[in-house]
Amino acid sequence: GIQVEQSPPDLILQEGANSTLRCNFSDSVNNLQWFHQNPWGQLINLFYIPSGTKQNGRLSATTVATERYSLLYISSSQTTDSGVYFCAVGPWITDKLIFGTGTRLQVFP
Amino acid sequence: DVKVTQSSRYLVKRTGEKVFLECVQDMDHENMFWYRQDPGLGLRLIYFSYDVKMKEKGDIPEGYSVSREKKERFSLILESASTNQTSMYLCASSPGGGLAGYEQYFGPGTRLTVT
Repeated sequence: GIQVEQSPPDLILQEGANSTLRCNFSDSVNNLQWFHQNPWGQLINLFYIPSGTKQNGRLSATTVATERYSLLYISSSQTTDSGVYFCAVGPWITDKLIFGTGTRLQVFP
Repeated sequence: DVKVTQSSRYLVKRTGEKVFLECVQDMDHENMFWYRQDPGLGLRLIYFSYDVKMKEKGDIPEGYSVSREKKERFSLILESASTNQTSMYLCASSPGGGLAGYEQYFGPGTRLTVT
């Protein structure tokens, strides 16, 4: 099956710093989503981005489907950005999602 | 806004009990999913449903069953709870009815502890 790898596994930043999270996947996909898991465990949808580039405030994402990777950019980090960021992909002809192992981000004031 | 709700945020059950986890979505979505999340193992798909009364096994269906009698509701059933089913359970839904690849939306999760 498809393998999804996220890097780095852990990231510690000071407030105001920028960061890039990476997601590599091993086969072509029809769905790619980025989530933020808050301290209470809820998965918050950040981007639905099987290809192309999107921006939402301080966050943006780019997926290069032909090269099988996606990047999540966080600019001007805030303490509320702390948590775990997951990338999940959907194999073709299925609605399933396969999750990466996540990047744990800690932002300190 | 899509809303997916789960019946309990925290649940404590005894070994051998029958456990029902309920999930409701309000967006008329075709697809519904149950995942479990464990430290070191990530999120794994247990079961999913693409229509009322339809179900498909995910990657780890053993020890679980599901029920979908109405479009908006998807139940996960632990027939005889065991301690290795202590986990965070997450429900999700997505539109369907055509080509795959729709965006999934998640509920707040249920932390189940089996003692």
